[in-house]
Amino acid sequence: DAGVTQSPTHLIKTRGQHVTLRCSPISGHKSVSWYQQVLGQGPQFIFQYYEKEERGRGNFPDRFSARQFPNYSSELNVNALLLGDSALYLCASSPDGYEQYFGPGTRLTVT
Amino acid sequence: AQKVTQAQTEISVVEKEDVTLDCVYETRDTTYYLFWYKQPPSGELVFLIRRNSFDEQNEISGRYSWNFQKSTSSFNFTITASQVVDSAVYFCALSEAWGNAGNMLTFGGGTRLMVKP
Repeated sequence: DAGVTQSPTHLIKTRGQHVTLRCSPISGHKSVSWYQQVLGQGPQFIFQYYEKEERGRGNFPDRFSARQFPNYSSELNVNALLLGDSALYLCASSPDGYEQYFGPGTRLTVT
Repeated sequence: AQKVTQAQTEISVVEKEDVTLDCVYETRDTTYYLFWYKQPPSGELVFLIRRNSFDEQNEISGRYSWNFQKSTSSFNFTITASQVVDSAVYFCALSEAWGNAGNMLTFGGGTRLMVKP
C-alpha cells in the first residue's frame, strides 16, 4: 500500500503570497493531521481533521486554514506568508486515531 | 498542558556501542500514549513504537528496546549494538486519548544520534 503522499516536495514563495499544500492519506485512514517543523525543532501541531471535520487546532494564527475532502485528502492553506513560515510541513494520517503515519513533507521557503 | 523533554540534543557513539535516548514527559491525563519516531536526513518521520499509559511492560524489537516508567514519567529508548544506519534525529511524542477522532502529538525537541564507523 502507498504511504502518505504530499505535494509539492519543495516550494519557494515570496512574503505576502499564499500557498496551498496537499496531502493524501494512506488508503482507509480517515484522520489527517498537519504539523509544522522549523529547522532544528520538533514538529508543532497545526490541525487535525476527521471525517471532514476539524477536530483540533494548534496555536497558529488565522492565516493558517485547512480542509478535508470526501476522499479524505487534505489541503493546508497559508495566507500572507511571513519569513517565519519557512519550515517543513508534515502531514500524518491515522488508522485508529492513535498511531500517526507521516508523509515526506513539503519544504516551504519564504523569501 | 502536555510537555515532552529530550534533554540530550546530540549524542555521538561509535558503531556497536549501546546508546540510550532519554525522554521525560508531563501530562495531567491518566490516559495517554507515548511514541518514538525516527527522522533520517530525508526528513520523513518514521513510526517506531506506541505505548499506552496502562502498559508499563518494557518492549524489545530487534536491537531496539523501550523502558516506560510512570513513576518517573520517562519513556527511554535504547539501541543495542548501534549501526551507522541508526544515525538520525529521534523524537519522543505524547498524546492524550481523543478516541477514534485521532489525537494531537506533542513532540520533544529531538535527539540527534550520530553513529560513527
